[in-house]
Amino acid sequence: KNQVEQSPQSLIILEGKNCTLQCNYTVSPFSNLRWYKQDTGRGPVSLTIMTFSENTKSNGRYTATLDADTKQSSLHITASQLSDSASYICVVSVYGQNFVFGPGTRLSVLP
Amino acid sequence: EAGVAQSPRYKIIEKRQSVAFWCNPISGHATLYWYQQILGQGPKLLIQFQNNGVVDDSQLPKDRFSAERLKGVDSTLKIQPAKLEDSAVYLCASRRTRRDRGGSTEAFFGQGTRLTVV
Repeated sequence: KNQVEQSPQSLIILEGKNCTLQCNYTVSPFSNLRWYKQDTGRGPVSLTIMTFSENTKSNGRYTATLDADTKQSSLHITASQLSDSASYICVVSVYGQNFVFGPGTRLSVLP
Repeated sequence: EAGVAQSPRYKIIEKRQSVAFWCNPISGHATLYWYQQILGQGPKLLIQFQNNGVVDDSQLPKDRFSAERLKGVDSTLKIQPAKLEDSAVYLCASRRTRRDRGGSTEAFFGQGTRLTVV
């Protein structure tokens, strides 16, 4: 069964600190993995997309890694800001088919 | 480039009533998705269109939910009759192509319609 798991479920950090979110998946055949940021009351917005051959990809203060062998991905946020408070959703694309969404990690950045 | 437009943003109805949501995808995007996102969970696919044809509606509760994309552009999602458990955010997304052959065809999401059934 195609499945995406994320941890932690929620996370609270202080502004300026770094954090790492985890994503494990059992999806086959794998096409690509995306991280989305979803602000409260808004639709998800793409942060990164990684294919099988990519190990890391950065988007400003966001850096995603992918280990296709262990089927794990992480999203590292550097020097967090209050505006980083949101849900971060890991989405794996099944080749030729649809997306499998993780449940998301709810991040709260406090001043 | 204009984004995916959805309306209304919010809707409150009583159970057993009917409701319809509208989505206007990004121009030129052949693939359109409707997702249901219950509070605290990731989105769940309801239906996927390729142009005006249905590609996947396996998780659509067809006894009460229906969707159409008659001209291959705008789409409507209807619930009739609504139940309390239908309370959720309904997200519409579009992308240029259906098949993602390891490339980077992006899916863009609308802001969603928050439905509350009381």
